[in-house]
Amino acid sequence: GAGVSQSPSNKVTEKGKDVELRCDPISGHTALYWYRQSLGQGLEFLIYFQGNSAPDKSGLPSDRFSAERTGGSVSTLTIQRTQQEDSAVYLCASSLLGSDQYFGPGTRLLVL
Amino acid sequence: AQSVTQLDSHVSVSEGTPVLLRCNYSSSYSPSLFWYVQHPNKGLQLLLKYTSAATLVKGINGFEAEFKKSETSFHLTKPSAHMSDAAEYFCVVSEPGTYKYIFGTGTRLKVLA
Repeated sequence: GAGVSQSPSNKVTEKGKDVELRCDPISGHTALYWYRQSLGQGLEFLIYFQGNSAPDKSGLPSDRFSAERTGGSVSTLTIQRTQQEDSAVYLCASSLLGSDQYFGPGTRLLVL
Repeated sequence: AQSVTQLDSHVSVSEGTPVLLRCNYSSSYSPSLFWYVQHPNKGLQLLLKYTSAATLVKGINGFEAEFKKSETSFHLTKPSAHMSDAAEYFCVVSEPGTYKYIFGTGTRLKVLA
């Protein structure tokens, strides 16, 4: 079956612009996660959605970052007024409740 | 608080020789531990996981890892490296009942012909 997909695969933007990153989880997976992978760093947890519960936003680095998940499926991560330090690979994962996380290929974001 | 330390940022081995990627963890509870592999421009793939069953865990592609509570280690091994094993490997810890994965900073494995 289809895995987690993310779009775009690459995004180049100018400092100060807003960007939207999309994640399509595996069908039927109720949990969805966003991570950020900066150069030379491990993955940093950003946000977690589970069903209709309030998301855990504790990992979002600033109020320029937000995410939503519509209809319990597709999720969009939005970064407003991008900064150069936002350059990273943004990874999405999905899972069944309490089960293993399956990762997408990521979106590579470059802020010039 | 949970944490995970991958002791080597880069490891180089010759094809056909053993692989050892080291990982130490810190957790207040009996953790779940994972190894993921990331090939260039690909997503993370689960290699294996430990969830308090057998301490020696076998994964895909001939990899295995041993949970050693006394040493708080979960090192990844493979008897004979293949060129296709060249990738970045991440050790991950998670506490039971939580959904948060704590990732190590990764070990880049290079396999020499």
